[in-house]
Amino acid sequence: AQKVTQAQTEISVVEKEDVTLDCVYETRDTTYYLFWYKQPPSGELVFLIRRNSFDEQNEISGRYSWNFQKSTSSFNFTITASQVVDSAVYFCALNYLADRGSTLGRLYFGRGTQLTVWP
Amino acid sequence: GAVVSQHPSWVICKSGTSVKIECRSLDFQATTMFWYRQFPKQSLMLMATSNEGSKATYEQGVEKDKFLINHASLTLSTLTVTSAHPEDSSFYICSARGLLAGLGDTGELFFGEGSRLTVL
Repeated sequence: AQKVTQAQTEISVVEKEDVTLDCVYETRDTTYYLFWYKQPPSGELVFLIRRNSFDEQNEISGRYSWNFQKSTSSFNFTITASQVVDSAVYFCALNYLADRGSTLGRLYFGRGTQLTVWP
Repeated sequence: GAVVSQHPSWVICKSGTSVKIECRSLDFQATTMFWYRQFPKQSLMLMATSNEGSKATYEQGVEKDKFLINHASLTLSTLTVTSAHPEDSSFYICSARGLLAGLGDTGELFFGEGSRLTVL
């Protein structure tokens, strides 16, 4: 079965602190994509990153960085020097390349981590 | 990037009425659209997958007669909540996978802004 686990339900930090959001996944397939989305209070999903299973290089984009470790089936997300505007729910998700036809593209979401950054 | 527009953003209706939510791909052809539902403080759960010109595929436990999905064109899919009840109050969000001009099917997914339904 496919499963994405975000063990941290809520995290609170003070502005300028670094924070890491954990994501662990289970899959029987060797080819898949991993995603992170941000969902602010308004509800829309903001795409942050897509990483395929063959690319284990860590990625950095401004204050955001991602650590993909296939050995531990983890795809953790770190925000450096957090800001109040980072407050949102963050979802990790999984997508199978082996899905065929109509199901290609469906996402399996973790339950999300509510991040609150206090000024 | 590609844009998916979802309408209405929010709707309040009386119990027993039907509500239609539209999901449009504005600058690309959406071969497949996915409809998700999100209850407060919970994750997004896939309800159904719709492909243009064919019947939607529903996830286990989702009533197909209650949640009617139509994907009549490559740019529009609609979700109709029939005879809505308070327990149907939720955030509904669509995503589209499509053919981008010059790129074909990149496998990328694009989300609508979501529709918040409140049934009184």
